[in-house]
Amino acid sequence: GQNIDQPTEMTATEGAIVQINCTYQTSGFNGLFWYQQHAGEAPTFLSYNVLDGLEEKGRFSSFLSRSKGYSYLLLKELQMKDSASYLCAVLDSNYQLIWGAGTKLIIKP
Amino acid sequence: NAGVTQTPKFRVLKTGQSMTLLCAQDMNHEYMYWYRQDPGMGLRLIHYSVGEGTTAKGEVPDGYNVSRLKKQNFLLGLESAAPSQTSVYFCASSDARSSYNEQFFGPGTRLTVL
Repeated sequence: GQNIDQPTEMTATEGAIVQINCTYQTSGFNGLFWYQQHAGEAPTFLSYNVLDGLEEKGRFSSFLSRSKGYSYLLLKELQMKDSASYLCAVLDSNYQLIWGAGTKLIIKP
Repeated sequence: NAGVTQTPKFRVLKTGQSMTLLCAQDMNHEYMYWYRQDPGMGLRLIHYSVGEGTTAKGEVPDGYNVSRLKKQNFLLGLESAAPSQTSVYFCASSDARSSYNEQFFGPGTRLTVL
């Protein structure tokens, strides 16, 4: 079956760095997405990786290792507004998105 | 541009009642999707459409029907609501020409079935 695993919840301090991991087992791979979802709101796109390596976009970076079925989202200089759930999703061989359950990130002052 | 909009935002139904959720997008996207989101679970695809007049089943289609009569609209119907359909429903759309199929989401419909 298809499976995406990520931690349920993480806590970090304002101004610090946090890494959210995602491992996946899917039927085929056509890319990995990270979305941010604030409580009670819709998911919004953060990043897309299809090749191995690091993609940097401002305070957020996303890394992919296809051979290990592994990705992480790195958030730097954490701000209170970064408190949200972070969703990992893989585009499978049928170009359908398979979603993880999300990681709830709590930022403390 | 409004992006993706959904109506209604909230709804309470009694078991056995029917309703239709409306999704509209103004980005001229070919692809549209209906998901449900439940606590502790990832988004699950109910139905999707790759163009006007076409629909297909996703991961959890039972108890739902859809129609895509116009490119900009995607309707999700519940013919006989059950408590197991209590959930948050998200509609999304994406551009067929996009190299990686980024999906844009509506604000969601919070449905409670008593």
